[in-house]
Amino acid sequence: DAGITQSPRHKVTETGTPVTLRCHQTENHRYMYWYRQDPGHGLRLIHYSYGVKDTDKGEVSDGYSVSRSKTEDFLLTLESATSSQTSVYFCAISAIPQVSYNEQFFGPGTRLTVL
Amino acid sequence: GENVEQHPSTLSVQEGDSAVIKCTYSDSASNYFPWYKQELGKRPQLIIDIRSNVGEKKDQRIAVTLNKTAKHFSLHITETQPEDSAVYFCAASNSGGSNYKLTFGKGTLLTVNP
Repeated sequence: DAGITQSPRHKVTETGTPVTLRCHQTENHRYMYWYRQDPGHGLRLIHYSYGVKDTDKGEVSDGYSVSRSKTEDFLLTLESATSSQTSVYFCAISAIPQVSYNEQFFGPGTRLTVL
Repeated sequence: GENVEQHPSTLSVQEGDSAVIKCTYSDSASNYFPWYKQELGKRPQLIIDIRSNVGEKKDQRIAVTLNKTAKHFSLHITETQPEDSAVYFCAASNSGGSNYKLTFGKGTLLTVNP
């Protein structure tokens, strides 16, 4: 597996509380991504980053914010968690543009439950 | 934006049979098509990919074909084994564009019965 970790791996929280998930990579890759995975929906992109302080929205970005102050860390924040944000969250990294094609490698995932 | 449709959503085969999963994409500029395998409780793992300059690629028991004209690509698994049981995702990307994103299909749950 690529050098990519996520923390925490499991979290249970209450509606209305803020939550921050961390993705850490040791590959020095420029591109990092946050996805959520829900039954029947596959993997949906929340936000992605193409460099330090450079981020953009994905298809399901409402209710989420991200930050990237260092190459190795990409943080996903739920400002006020809702039950609809109960999901498994995956981080991914890509060596684009150093390579020609967007091979993405995934972290182990974080299972978040919002009660 | 890109839209990827994947079929079937579930597939059950007997051990030793072949399995085929099909995907269609909408953006004719897409040029990279990876396939991921996800075992229960694990992360998606890249198992094979194909680029738009080739029509077929093989790796042991798995192969992927691409038809650019029809905008569809397929995953073929031969001589299936119980350890092939997993959810498989296809994806598409325009790696020549300015935003490097993958669009995923909704997944196929493959069950290989011993």
